[in-house]
Amino acid sequence: DADVTQTPRNRITKTGKRIMLECSQTKGHDRMYWYRQDPGLGLRLIYYSFDVKDINKGEISDGYSVSRQAQAKFSLSLESAIPNQTALYFCATSDWTSGSYNEQFFGPGTRLTVL
Amino acid sequence: KQEVTQIPAALSVPEGENLVLNCSFTDSAIYNLQWFRQDPGKGLTSLLLIQSSQREQTSGRLNASLDKSSGRSTLYIAASQPGDSATYLCAGDQTGANNLFFGTGTRLTVIP
Repeated sequence: DADVTQTPRNRITKTGKRIMLECSQTKGHDRMYWYRQDPGLGLRLIYYSFDVKDINKGEISDGYSVSRQAQAKFSLSLESAIPNQTALYFCATSDWTSGSYNEQFFGPGTRLTVL
Repeated sequence: KQEVTQIPAALSVPEGENLVLNCSFTDSAIYNLQWFRQDPGKGLTSLLLIQSSQREQTSGRLNASLDKSSGRSTLYIAASQPGDSATYLCAGDQTGANNLFFGTGTRLTVIP
């Protein structure tokens, strides 16, 4: 089984709809991240969470919200989807040991299309 | 704002060649640096992590180095194979919170 899973893998929706993307991990990591990837642009950070009670905005948080339901679950919501939110969305996890961050592990991605 | 440039944007080489991919940051204050590969339609696979106290990491045929004074990193791939064909992404943490800024990648094609 994959360590970081994302559901759904593909989603087509219409402008104005509310959408939730879900991420689960079995790695036991405390840190979780949401990124989006657009053609020709690097991945950009939307939100990140250090633990269930600590959620922080990233570079491009406008139009998005998140929920950390448990250490292993981190959901991304688009309250009212718009076409320029069409992108590939990735969830990632990492942990902290011996005073250093370890590598980030990524899920397989969710391809979201907003018509 | 941190910007990350990867050169070249695309590279095609015959099988067996050694090659170097480059990555540079506008802000050289970098904590962790991570190299990934991304296959078409797939997620990111971590290749190498250079932590804040390190300057170089090696894994098999891959070697990554980071020059913090210039904000430049290189990924060296030895004896390239067709299976190495993918897009290679570098990403650096400027904040110390492991929030990664990504480059746009180098698309590598290894010709059999």
